[in-house]
Amino acid sequence: AQSVTQLGSHVSVSEGALVLLRCNYSSSVPPYLFWYVQYPNQGLQLLLKYTTGATLVKGINGFEAEFKKSETSFHLTKPSAHMSDAAEYFCAVRINSGGYQKVTFGTGTKLQVIP
Amino acid sequence: NAGVTQTPKFRILKIGQSMTLQCTQDMNHNYMYWYRQDPGMGLKLIYYSVGAGITDKGEVPNGYNVSRSTTEDFPLRLELAAPSQTSVYFCASSPSYREGYTFGSGTRLTVV
Repeated sequence: AQSVTQLGSHVSVSEGALVLLRCNYSSSVPPYLFWYVQYPNQGLQLLLKYTTGATLVKGINGFEAEFKKSETSFHLTKPSAHMSDAAEYFCAVRINSGGYQKVTFGTGTKLQVIP
Repeated sequence: NAGVTQTPKFRILKIGQSMTLQCTQDMNHNYMYWYRQDPGMGLKLIYYSVGAGITDKGEVPNGYNVSRSTTEDFPLRLELAAPSQTSVYFCASSPSYREGYTFGSGTRLTVV
């Protein structure tokens, strides 16, 4: 069975500091991995995705994530936090299992940016 | 582009009532999904569709039904509403399994 674990339901950083949101997954087959962002009272928006190829993936708003197979991780980073980054972030893993595309979402990490 | 449009945005239902949550997309995506989001629980898949006329159950289908008569529309039907169905419902679509989802803005449903 596949699962996604996001470490820390709440993360606080100072404006200008490094953002690091952690995501670990379990999957018996090579996964596709995604990060989404959700602003208050809105739907989720795709930040970035890893399917195959380069393990360092760049997304929108200056975010990037690195797929580390040996660590089964896909952590999200941004060098310098901005106030507008305050939102909830969801990691998701998708696998192709016998033609059925199953996606599992993590429980989310709320990012607070302190001025 | 409108993307994925959900209506209504808010609704209050009484126990035992029924309603349909509407979802339409204008991106010609084959895959469409319904999720519910509860605080601290992430998103749970209710139903999904891989094309017009094809639907299947997700993780939490009980109490819901769907249909997919066209590529664009994927309505979610709640029969005999229960307080446990109080949640935020999101419709999403994607062109293939390799791509991420485009989400609608959600429907906040309260059952009292």
